[in-house]
Amino acid sequence: EVQLVESGGGLVQPGGSLRLSCAASGFTFSNYWMHWVRQAPGKGLVWVSRINSDVSNTSYADSVKGRFTISRDNAKNTLYLQMNSLRAEDTAVYYCVFDYDPKGAAFDIWGQGTMVTVSS
Amino acid sequence: DIVVTQSPDSLAVSLGERATINCKSSQSVLYNSNNKNYLAWYQQKPGQPPKVLIYWASTRKSGVPDRFSGSGSGTDFTLTISSLQAEDVAVYYCQQFYSTPYTFGQGTQLEIK
Repeated sequence: EVQLVESGGGLVQPGGSLRLSCAASGFTFSNYWMHWVRQAPGKGLVWVSRINSDVSNTSYADSVKGRFTISRDNAKNTLYLQMNSLRAEDTAVYYCVFDYDPKGAAFDIWGQGTMVTVSS
Repeated sequence: DIVVTQSPDSLAVSLGERATINCKSSQSVLYNSNNKNYLAWYQQKPGQPPKVLIYWASTRKSGVPDRFSGSGSGTDFTLTISSLQAEDVAVYYCQQFYSTPYTFGQGTQLEIK
């Protein structure tokens, strides 16, 4: 079964740091580009970042550029999101997602998400 | 960045009736090289991650009931639920996959009238 399991969320003070992890299983992780999407409480979905399969290319939303870093360890089948200089507006559920179906273009595999709360 | 705007923000439809949600992108999401629209539709129920319904603007994901259909091209798209069922109560999002950032619409809350 194709599965993504996020971890690492929690409560952090403004200005603090947090590292999210996403453990992948059931597919050849190293073949796929991976993404993070977030959702603030009661709000809509926001694409955060993307990394290609061989780690040679990354992309970020303007709202997190310079503060967040996406990375991956293909040997460990794990995706990461290092979040620095956190702000209250970064409070959200963070989902690890990717496009698994080779016939389509959409995020068809989602983790259950990990909650990040930035508050003093 | 491509801005994606949905309408309406909320919608109440009677059981068995048709529901229509619109999605407009600020620039075309049609790739001329393969003639595909890089537009997807998702359904999200409370406490769950989103689930993809439609990709390429009009291709139904395997396992999705055929009452769900997508249409449109270029900048204007529509998600139609032909006969609303109780289990269709959810928030629906469109998303463009044409270029990063892969922007989502703001969402449409669908309820039973």
